[in-house]
Amino acid sequence: EPEVTQTPSHQVTQMGQEVILRCVPISNHLYFYWYRQILGQKVEFLVSFYNNEISEKSEIFDDQFSVERPDGSNFTLKIRSTKLEDSAMYFCASPMTAFFGQGTRLTVV
Amino acid sequence: AQSVTQLDSQVPVFEEAPVELRCNYSSSVSVYLFWYVQYPNQGLQLLLKYLSGSTLVKGINGFEAEFNKSQTSFHLRKPSVHISDTAEYFCAALMNSGGYQKVTFGTGTKLQVIP
Repeated sequence: EPEVTQTPSHQVTQMGQEVILRCVPISNHLYFYWYRQILGQKVEFLVSFYNNEISEKSEIFDDQFSVERPDGSNFTLKIRSTKLEDSAMYFCASPMTAFFGQGTRLTVV
Repeated sequence: AQSVTQLDSQVPVFEEAPVELRCNYSSSVSVYLFWYVQYPNQGLQLLLKYLSGSTLVKGINGFEAEFNKSQTSFHLRKPSVHISDTAEYFCAALMNSGGYQKVTFGTGTKLQVIP
């Protein structure tokens, strides 16, 4: 089965710092999504990205978040100034096959 | 609004007993349906998926699910559970949303297998 790869698997950052989470989706897929799961809670939709543009975003995805495709293959989720409540697992997904990466556990201290 | 409902937040079951985890979805359009398992401190692992064809779908670890369009359900079943099946299970649906596709998750069901 094809895989979606996420790096890093775990990142610890200080409050107020910027973090960049990376995802390598399944090749030739134009769609990808980012989801978030706060510990003990449900998986929440953040944003969908189609053909190099944001196609939809949730209310969680405020101005501190951004997504990019910097080099044509990798996708990134950037959090500009992290807050304690940003601590969560972040998943990227290739929606057509519903394959999710293993996630990045972000811990803001 | 399109949604996925998992009515049972926790399901305790004795080892080697059968289990059914319930999932219902609301959508007026075609959906693709999925079940994921999440072990503690790990990511989401795809158990099985329904895209089209046979309504009975078999997945990994002995799990299966049946798509029932009239009842808008996609319940997950296993005839005999093991201790290692203790985990949280998420039902999800890929639906059209405003012309785009989005995966919507249920709130999860924690399966606790009792020795």
